[in-house]
Amino acid sequence: QQQVKQSPQSLIVQKGGISIINCAYENTAFDYFPWYQQFPGKGPALLIAIRPDVSEKKEGRFTISFNKSAKQFSLHIMDSQPGDSATYFCAASMGETGANNLFFGTGTRLTVIP
Amino acid sequence: ETGVTQTPRHLVMGMTNKKSLKCEQHLGHNAMYWYKQSAKKPLELMFVYNFKEQTENNSVPSRFSPECPNSSHLFLHLHTLQPEDSALYLCASSRRGLAGAQNEQFFGPGTRLTVL
Repeated sequence: QQQVKQSPQSLIVQKGGISIINCAYENTAFDYFPWYQQFPGKGPALLIAIRPDVSEKKEGRFTISFNKSAKQFSLHIMDSQPGDSATYFCAASMGETGANNLFFGTGTRLTVIP
Repeated sequence: ETGVTQTPRHLVMGMTNKKSLKCEQHLGHNAMYWYKQSAKKPLELMFVYNFKEQTENNSVPSRFSPECPNSSHLFLHLHTLQPEDSALYLCASSRRGLAGAQNEQFFGPGTRLTVL
C-alpha cells in the first residue's frame, strides 16, 4: 500500500509560471514532510520540509502548503526557471527521534520551458 | 557534492555474476540506507543500518545481501540477480537518535544497475 500519493506524474510550465505539485497521505502519525529534488545523474537532495504545526513554509521561490485536516501538502514553485527542471519527490515520516524512515511519493518530472 | 559517494556509477552484470556496490559517507552520520529507484515507482527502502546494526529489511530477496562494517561504509552484495532487478540503487545516510532533529537524509548519486 502506497503511503504517500503524488500528482501529477509530469508537469510542463512556462518560464516565470507557477509549478504546483500535490501529495496526500493517510497515516496521521506522520509528523515530518520533506520535498526532495533530483537532477539527472544525481541522488535526491532535500529542498524544503515542513512539520504539521504550521500551515505554510516558504524558502525563496519554494513554498510548502500543508492542510492537516485534508491530509494533503503541496509544493509551489514561484517564477519557475529552466534550472528548476528536475524530478520532485514528496515524502513523509513519523516519530520524534530524528531521521526515521521516509515514505516517498512516485515523483513528478517538472520541465520548465524557456 | 553531498558527502555520500557510491561506486561503481554504472554496472552491467549477467544473472550468474556476483558483484558488490559500495557506499561511503563522510558526514559523521550513524545511519545508512539502501534504496531501489525504478521508473514510475516510489523510492523503495531496502535496508537500514543504525549504528552498524541492521534495523530494517523490507522483504528484500536474499539475492541482495547488505554489509555495514562501520558507520561510514555500506555494501550491497549482489548474486544471481534477475532482469527486473535492473534499477538505480541509491545509498543515503543520516543522523539518528536526536529527538526533534530534522530527518534529512543525504543521498549518493546512485549506481545504475543493468542485469542481462
